[in-house]
Amino acid sequence: KNEVEQSPQNLTAQEGEFITINCSYSVGISALHWLQQHPGGGIVSLFMLSSGKKKHGRLIATINIQEKHSSLHITASHPRDSAVYICAPTNTGNQFYFGTGTSLTVIP
Amino acid sequence: ETGVTQTPRHLVMGMTNKKSLKCEQHLGHNAMYWYKQSAKKPLELMFVYNFKEQTENNSVPSRFSPECPNSSHLFLHLHTLQPEDSALYLCASSQDPTGDYGYTFGSGTRLTVV
Repeated sequence: KNEVEQSPQNLTAQEGEFITINCSYSVGISALHWLQQHPGGGIVSLFMLSSGKKKHGRLIATINIQEKHSSLHITASHPRDSAVYICAPTNTGNQFYFGTGTSLTVIP
Repeated sequence: ETGVTQTPRHLVMGMTNKKSLKCEQHLGHNAMYWYKQSAKKPLELMFVYNFKEQTENNSVPSRFSPECPNSSHLFLHLHTLQPEDSALYLCASSQDPTGDYGYTFGSGTRLTVV
C-alpha cells in the first residue's frame, strides 16, 4: 500500500468550476508539497506547507497534520490548469513520499 | 525555465550504450536530487547530494552512476541499461538539505532503452 493516497485519480471539469484534490498519508511528516506536472514532464512546486492554509492566486492548499490529510483547491478553473497534481509529504530526514498524482483536465 | 536545466530532453539508447544525463542549477541551492518517474507510478527518489556529498542511494542498480562535481552540476551516468529503465528522469534541487525550502524540479529527460 502506498504511503500517500490521492483522490480522485482522474478529474474532468468545465472551465470555471471549483476543484478539490485530496491527499491522505500514513507517515509522520514535517511538511507537505503540492507539485504540478504538465504534459512533457516539467514539475513545478506549488506549495510547501506544514500547517493551516496557503493561497497563491486561484490555488489554495490546506493541511490537517492530526488527520494526516491535505487538500488542493482551484477556484475558477481554466484549461491551462490541466496537469497532473502530485501530493508529496516529506519528513525531517529529507525523505519524500509521492502520490501517483491526480490528472486534471479542464474543458473550455 | 524553472532554474534547473536538464539535458538532453529526450534520449534513445541501446542496451550496450553508455550515456550521461546532465543537470545544472544556478539557484544557489545546496542539495540536488535524481528521481525516476515510470508510467503510472509515484516518483522514486534515486540519489541525494548535499554539499556535493552523496547522502542517499535508494537501492539503485549500479548501472546508474551519479556524479556531483560541484554544487551546481549533477550527472547521471548510464551503462548497460535494460528496457524497464525507460522512464522520465527528473533532477531537482533545494536550498536547504531538508528540502523544505525552494524545492525546484527540472523538466526531465525522457529516456527510452531499446
